[in-house]
Amino acid sequence: AQSVTQLGSHVSVSEGALVLLRCNYSSSVPPYLFWYVQYPNQGLQLLLKYTSAATLVKGINGFEAEFKKSETSFHLTKPSAHMSDAAEYFCAVRGLTYNQGGKLIFGQGTELSVKP
Amino acid sequence: EAGVAQSPRYKIIEKRQSVAFWCNPISGHATLYWYQQILGQGPKLLIQFQNNGVVDDSQLPKDRFSAERLKGVDSTLKIQPAKLEDSAVYLCASSLEGQSSYNEQFFGPGTRLTVL
Repeated sequence: AQSVTQLGSHVSVSEGALVLLRCNYSSSVPPYLFWYVQYPNQGLQLLLKYTSAATLVKGINGFEAEFKKSETSFHLTKPSAHMSDAAEYFCAVRGLTYNQGGKLIFGQGTELSVKP
Repeated sequence: EAGVAQSPRYKIIEKRQSVAFWCNPISGHATLYWYQQILGQGPKLLIQFQNNGVVDDSQLPKDRFSAERLKGVDSTLKIQPAKLEDSAVYLCASSLEGQSSYNEQFFGPGTRLTVL
């Protein structure tokens, strides 16, 4: 069965600082991995996805993530935080067994705060 | 292109009452998902439809929750009777096709349910 663990429920950075949000996965097969962002009172928006192509994945809004099989990690980074990045971020893995269909299995989320 | 529509956006009910949520997916999307997002947690799949058939409802509390997608387009999720622990955001998502290949899931804004 697939699962993801996000380290740190809250992360606070200063504007212009590096953003690093951690995600570790567990999967018995090569995983499909995703990062979603959720702004207050809104649905989830896809930031980026890893589907077994390039290990360094670039997404929207300047975010990127690197798939590291040896570390079972898929951490999300952004070189310079902007105030508008403040939101909840979710890491997810796609269920691949037959009865899991295409559902997404989410981590518990990391709330990112950006200080001026 | 119109996104995933959900209504109502907010609902407050008392325990033991009934409630229903509606979702209209993106036109042409065969797969529809209902997720439950409890405060402080990541979304959890309740039920997945492929056209008008159920693919996965293993996490749906069937004694009180029901869902249907009769014509393979829009869907209704019902809770009867509601419990305090059902307070959550109910997210609907859709994708072109959910099992044999990866297609991005697009999320609606969600319905925030408060059970008093």
